[in-house]
Amino acid sequence: DIQMTQSPSTLSASVGDRVTITCRASQSVSAWLAWYQQKPGKAPKLLIYKASSLESGVPSRFSGSGSGTEFSLIISGLQADDFATYYCQQYNRYSRTFGQGTKVEIK
Amino acid sequence: EVQLVESGGGLVQPGGSLRLSCAASGFTFTNYAMTWVRQAPGKGLEWVSSISGSDGSTYYAESVQGRFTISRDNSKNTLYLQMISLRAGDTAVYYCAKANVAFTQYSYCMDVWGKGTTVTVSS
Repeated sequence: DIQMTQSPSTLSASVGDRVTITCRASQSVSAWLAWYQQKPGKAPKLLIYKASSLESGVPSRFSGSGSGTEFSLIISGLQADDFATYYCQQYNRYSRTFGQGTKVEIK
Repeated sequence: EVQLVESGGGLVQPGGSLRLSCAASGFTFTNYAMTWVRQAPGKGLEWVSSISGSDGSTYYAESVQGRFTISRDNSKNTLYLQMISLRAGDTAVYYCAKANVAFTQYSYCMDVWGKGTTVTVSS
């Protein structure tokens, strides 16, 4: 199985900060990588698919990059609504694996 | 509006069974693969199972292989998850989710999620 490792696990930041979350796959997943945002008690929300494609309706301050085994989610100008937990997910072939999550907290 | 509504969760004893349902609306159900994802209390997301749109090919996480069965009734726009031999470790909120791309067996992530249904396995 492909393992996904996110870093950091927790991130403290202020409104307006540029935030980078990293996701590493245990083997290449090409560009089959998604990013989700989840708030407490809510279902996950798709932000980025195919490593760098922005889902419709998602603010442009969110961006994704990477391919193979190294990926990043960048939030350019953190907003109050962005404090949440973020998950990467690989969808290479028939299985799916999520990273353990990165909680973005208010500094 | 695309919508997914899960039901069927509840409290069940270890070793028991439960069937979850997910009613879909607002899109052509048969064209899309569907997925179950779960989240144990205070934990992260775990992929459980997926099923393709038309030919019904199924895929499972190792943790549920042989105990859970995913199925769909395209005439009723409904996704199911039959769970047997339930364990305490299966306690979680179970989400159903729709593939973001039609007509694909595996190159998809999930763009629409239900609100989830809670399964508690305890004596």
